[in-house]
Order: sequence, then C-alpha cells, then structure tokens
Amino acid sequence: AQRVTQPEKLLSVFKGAPVELKCNYSYSGSPELFWYVQYSRQRLQLLLRHISRESIKGFTADLNKGETSFHLKKPFAQEEDSAMYYCALQETSGSRLTFGEGTQLTVNP
Amino acid sequence: GAVVSQHPSRVICKSGTSVKIECRSLDFQATTMFWYRQFPKQSLMLMATSNEGSKATYEQGVEKDKFLINHASLTLSTLTVTSAHPEDSSFYICSARARGGSSEQYFGPGTRLTVT
Repeated sequence: AQRVTQPEKLLSVFKGAPVELKCNYSYSGSPELFWYVQYSRQRLQLLLRHISRESIKGFTADLNKGETSFHLKKPFAQEEDSAMYYCALQETSGSRLTFGEGTQLTVNP
Repeated sequence: GAVVSQHPSRVICKSGTSVKIECRSLDFQATTMFWYRQFPKQSLMLMATSNEGSKATYEQGVEKDKFLINHASLTLSTLTVTSAHPEDSSFYICSARARGGSSEQYFGPGTRLTVT
C-alpha cells in the first residue's frame, strides 16, 4: 500500500534562512506527488505538484524516484510561510490522495 | 474560481442523533467528491470517494452504514453521521475534483463536529 512520511512534525527557522520540508513515499508505481499548505484558519490549498515543475511562492520540490523523496525547499523563508504543510501522493490521475502527517513550519522574525 | 463550501462550519449534537454535512462546489461541476476526517494535530484520512449518481466507495475500516454519503448532483455531496457518538467528534473535510478538468482536488473549509 502507498504511504507518505513526513519525518518532522515541527520545523522552526528564522526569516531569510533556507528551509527544507522532507517527504518520503512508498509506492510501487509512478505516483503524482503534491504539496498542500494550510495557513492558520484557512482551508487546505494546493501549493505545487511535481508534474508542473514550477516554483510557487519561492518553493520548489523535485521528485527523486531513486530516493522516493519529494522534499519541499525554499532558499529564503518568509514569516508568511508559517503554515502546516502536507505532502500527498496520488496513485493515478484523479484518484484518491494519501497524505503525510504534516509539518508545522514556523518562520521566526 | 474552483470554490468548495461546507455547511455547517461547526455543529454540536447529542449522542445518538444524526447530523448532515453538505459539501458544494460553487462554480464548477464536480464528478468526484472526497470526504476526509482529521483528528487534532493529525493528517487527513480519506473516508470515502463519492461519484455523482453512484454509490460511494468507502475506505477500509469506515462504516458505510454509519457515514452515509450521497452525491445526488454535480455540485452537492452530503455526509450524514448516523447515531453519532463522542468518538465521532472530529473535523470533516470534503474536496471536489472538477468534471473534465485536471486531477487537482479543491478543498472545503471543513466542518467541526462535536458530539456530547
């Protein structure tokens, strides 16, 4: 069965510092990987997906099939990046999402 | 665009009663809607997938007779928690996938259910 692991429940960095949120997955096929973000008192929203290969709000994530990882990175964290981040895996297009446990990122001034 | 609403946002009910939660896609048609449950400080757990006009597909361990899902139209899915008990207290979140669109799911704001 598929599984998504986010090893850090809490991550705290200072403004301007680089940040990396780790995500590892286990799945036998070729999954689609996503990062979702939930700001305080707001709904879950898509941050980025691996097939788009885009940078959103300065965040990037590269799918490493060899290491089965999809880590989220930003070179210079901002206070407004403080939020809950979830990594998610989708088996086939449009199918169910499996979420990791989430990482609470706090960017301190 | 692509807004999903949930109603109510918060509900308190007595043990043994039933409560209905609505999930609506406001500006698009959703062939598929998903219902998740989230416990405090934990991840989202998929409960069921509902396709318009057909029976919902429940995840293993989810009681289909307790969590009734109806997806009667392309813009509305409902989750009814029957004979609620305190252990059903949780945050229930729905998401919707647009008809003919990408695989992206759009999430509702969630419903906080408290069973006393």
